Amino acid sequence: KQEVTQIPAALSVPEGENLVLNCSFTDSAIYNLQWFRQDPGKGLTSLLLIQSSQREQTSGRLNASLDKSSGRSTLYIAASQPGDSATYLCAVRDSGGYQKVTFGTGTKLQVIP
Amino acid sequence: GAGVSQSPRYKVAKRGQDVALRCDPISGHVSLFWYQQALGQGPEFLTYFQNEAQLDKSGLPSDRFFAERPEGSVSTLKIQRTQQEDSAVYLCASSLAWGEIRVANEQFFGPGTRLTVL
Repeated sequence: KQEVTQIPAALSVPEGENLVLNCSFTDSAIYNLQWFRQDPGKGLTSLLLIQSSQREQTSGRLNASLDKSSGRSTLYIAASQPGDSATYLCAVRDSGGYQKVTFGTGTKLQVIP
Repeated sequence: GAGVSQSPRYKVAKRGQDVALRCDPISGHVSLFWYQQALGQGPEFLTYFQNEAQLDKSGLPSDRFFAERPEGSVSTLKIQRTQQEDSAVYLCASSLAWGEIRVANEQFFGPGTRLTVL
């Protein structure tokens, strides 16, 4: 059974800092990995999706990397802003069966002005 | 709008009542997923449809939970004889399809339905 862990559970940083969020998974037979942000009371907004054959994806100030063999992904946020405050979730889609998606419990980020 | 929509946004039910939650995926999206998100937790997979076919229902917590997508578009998640432990946000997501093309299997989420069982 796939298990996804995110560290840290919560993070508070001053505005302007670069930061790294971590995601680890137990079964390396994945199809893809997707990073989301979730604002309070809202649904999930997709940030980046990395296919299993890829090493990283970039979008603006965000960069996500994937090391499938070690079961790890990182989300790098450059020059953090107060608007980045949210919960960040990673989700792993298995390569076998019907490609079940497993989410981590999230990292709650607060960027202090 | 062109996004995934869900209704109702909020539902309060008395224990033992049946509820039905609706999801309208993005037009043309083949894949549809239902998730349950308890407070402070990540979403937990419930079930997956490809068009009208329910290919995976392994995440449904009990036989009180039933999902359907009869015409391969709108989906309904039904919970019979609701219990307090069913209180959660129910999220629906859709994706264009699946395959090697990255954009095809990116999931897009609706705002969720917050279910409270008293």
